[in-house]
Amino acid sequence: GESVGLHLPTLSVQEGDNSIINCAYSNSASDYFIWYKQESGKGPQFIIDIRSNMDKRQGQRVTVLLNKTVKHLSLQIAATQPGDSAVYFCAETGHTGRRALTFGSGTRLQVQP
Amino acid sequence: KAGVTQTPRYLIKTRGQQVTLSCSPISGHRSVSWYQQTPGQGLQFLFEYFSETQRNKGNFPGRFSGRQFSNSRSEMNVSTLELGDSALYLCASSLGRNQGGRPDTQYFGPGTRLTVL
Repeated sequence: GESVGLHLPTLSVQEGDNSIINCAYSNSASDYFIWYKQESGKGPQFIIDIRSNMDKRQGQRVTVLLNKTVKHLSLQIAATQPGDSAVYFCAETGHTGRRALTFGSGTRLQVQP
Repeated sequence: KAGVTQTPRYLIKTRGQQVTLSCSPISGHRSVSWYQQTPGQGLQFLFEYFSETQRNKGNFPGRFSGRQFSNSRSEMNVSTLELGDSALYLCASSLGRNQGGRPDTQYFGPGTRLTVL
């Protein structure tokens, strides 16, 4: 389950700083938006999701913001740690009930110690 | 609870051959979805199976097929392999039903890395 994408955009941050990863989506009809994390050698791991009728949702050290006006989604990671280094994907469900996720192209997060 | 398992983890085939990949979902999960991951196209949905029936299908040619067994285990088959089929094939399992309007969270396996020579 290694992360693929030799030409992924990369975000490099210092340990302890906050990280913001952005994603643009295309389907205005999507009901849910989801963030996944993919570490080297593993499959994508669910982080957090947000319904289209919300604009913010918080989890443990993570916050997802949704701006439907500009079709933009962001993932904020507080106090970034070396273990956060991975490729992050946003995904949209398209319609509640569907499990055919549409994924974004991904962003590689590198945390410098 | 054991996670999603996929076998084999690595596979090398030649053009024209066919291949079968296997996925065992998390216990109690009845939905299995398959995705293809490549550097050029990213993660793309192939199909989803629930209760031994294909419930959703992505935009892949008929060479890509799958099935699901009564124990929810799923197999994916690719016939007449092409070089472009080289990819990481990911399987994801979920309960298969939404809960109070929330989407059904999918849990991914580690994938099978297929190389076509």
